[in-house]
Amino acid sequence: DTGVSQNPRHKITKRGQNVTFRCDPISEHNRLYWYRQTLGQGPEFLTYFQNEAQLEKSRLLSDRFSAERPKGSFSTLEIQRTEQGDSAMYLCASSSQGVNQPQHFGDGTRLSIL
Amino acid sequence: DQQVKQNSPSLSVQEGRISILNCDYTNSMFDYFLWYKKYPAEGPTFLISISSIKDKNEDGRFTVFLNKSAKHLSLHIVPSQPGDSAVYFCAASRNAGGTSYGKLTFGQGTILTVHP
Repeated sequence: DTGVSQNPRHKITKRGQNVTFRCDPISEHNRLYWYRQTLGQGPEFLTYFQNEAQLEKSRLLSDRFSAERPKGSFSTLEIQRTEQGDSAMYLCASSSQGVNQPQHFGDGTRLSIL
Repeated sequence: DQQVKQNSPSLSVQEGRISILNCDYTNSMFDYFLWYKKYPAEGPTFLISISSIKDKNEDGRFTVFLNKSAKHLSLHIVPSQPGDSAVYFCAASRNAGGTSYGKLTFGQGTILTVHP
């Protein structure tokens, strides 16, 4: 049973650098979500894909953030010109299409900005 | 604007007793509610969910209760086990019309500690 896979698990980078994270959802799931979680808080929604179409973006997703899901399978989240405030856990989740389908999460990528 | 709130940052219970975790929401458009469990260095794991057309859903030791008029849900774990020690998040989503996006709004989490 292959769950949601995220790479890398940890990323340490200097302020101003670009970083890219990858998410491989559960294979039969056509919905994919990105969330961000900071210490002591619950995950916060960033963006959502149905197949390859990006259908919703949070206002948390500034112009420095971009997400893609080119073939409706894996997804990438890129952060350009990273800032200290970008330090967080970035979580990916996937679900089946339909009403009331639970989302299943990967173990996340922890980003640390030096 | 915290639409989903878990007002208890932590809860400590004895093994074998009942654990009750609470969650309140403000957005009356939410119609699907979930509980997740999270261990350190892992992503949230789905536990149990409930649709707004129900007021109770049970799965083994886990039961979720929904009180729509009070905009309140709770998770009961009975009997509690030491392995249940984790952070528990409640989450809510809205299935708008015929199109369901399902983005989740999470509470801040409650740390549950079950003592042997």
